[in-house]
Amino acid sequence: GAVVSQHPSWVICKSGTSVKIECRSLDFQATTMFWYRQFPKQSLMLMATSNEGSKATYEQGVEKDKFLINHASLTLSTLTVTSAHPEDSSFYICSARDRWTGDEKLFFGSGTQLSVL
Amino acid sequence: AQSVTQLGSHVSVSEGALVLLRCNYSSSVPPYLFWYVQYPNQGLQLLLKYTSAATLVKGINGFEAEFKKSETSFHLTKPSAHMSDAAEYFCAVSKGAAGNKLTFGGGTRVLVKP
Repeated sequence: GAVVSQHPSWVICKSGTSVKIECRSLDFQATTMFWYRQFPKQSLMLMATSNEGSKATYEQGVEKDKFLINHASLTLSTLTVTSAHPEDSSFYICSARDRWTGDEKLFFGSGTQLSVL
Repeated sequence: AQSVTQLGSHVSVSEGALVLLRCNYSSSVPPYLFWYVQYPNQGLQLLLKYTSAATLVKGINGFEAEFKKSETSFHLTKPSAHMSDAAEYFCAVSKGAAGNKLTFGGGTRVLVKP
């Protein structure tokens, strides 16, 4: 079945540095990717929606200059957390919509646990 | 606005016993409802979805869920728990089909006791 590969699975960084998270659709083309964040013991919250070749749409309250999303190809989307701070420590997970099955299914990455010291 | 509430962040069941995970939703439009499962160190997998067809939906691994509009509920059940069912389960709602953005519940972690 379709697989979304998300890397890294966990990362520890110093406050003030930037971290890039990648999501790749391995055997399908993803026209749309969704980025979610999950704080401990809380639900997954949608951060932004990215469409291949266009700017991402951010949810209310999500800083677009802090969470840079690039979806330059049909198989790769990246989320860069710029100038990370301890409050950005969270679990980040992506999901991708298959170009051909469209609305039928979303495929999720395995998530990235970010810890900012 | 849409929201999803999962009652109970942790559920413990004995192997062979009934699994019941509760989900209530609110939506201003007819909802599409989903249950996802997340095994350790893996991405979310779709268990089943309700898209306005039959109210009783059967999914993978023996799970099923019933949409009850009057109760705004979409509870997930499995008659007999297996050790491999230990995972975290998320209920979600969207305004459109599966490909639209989802609003998730807080998740329920299932522990299966031998």
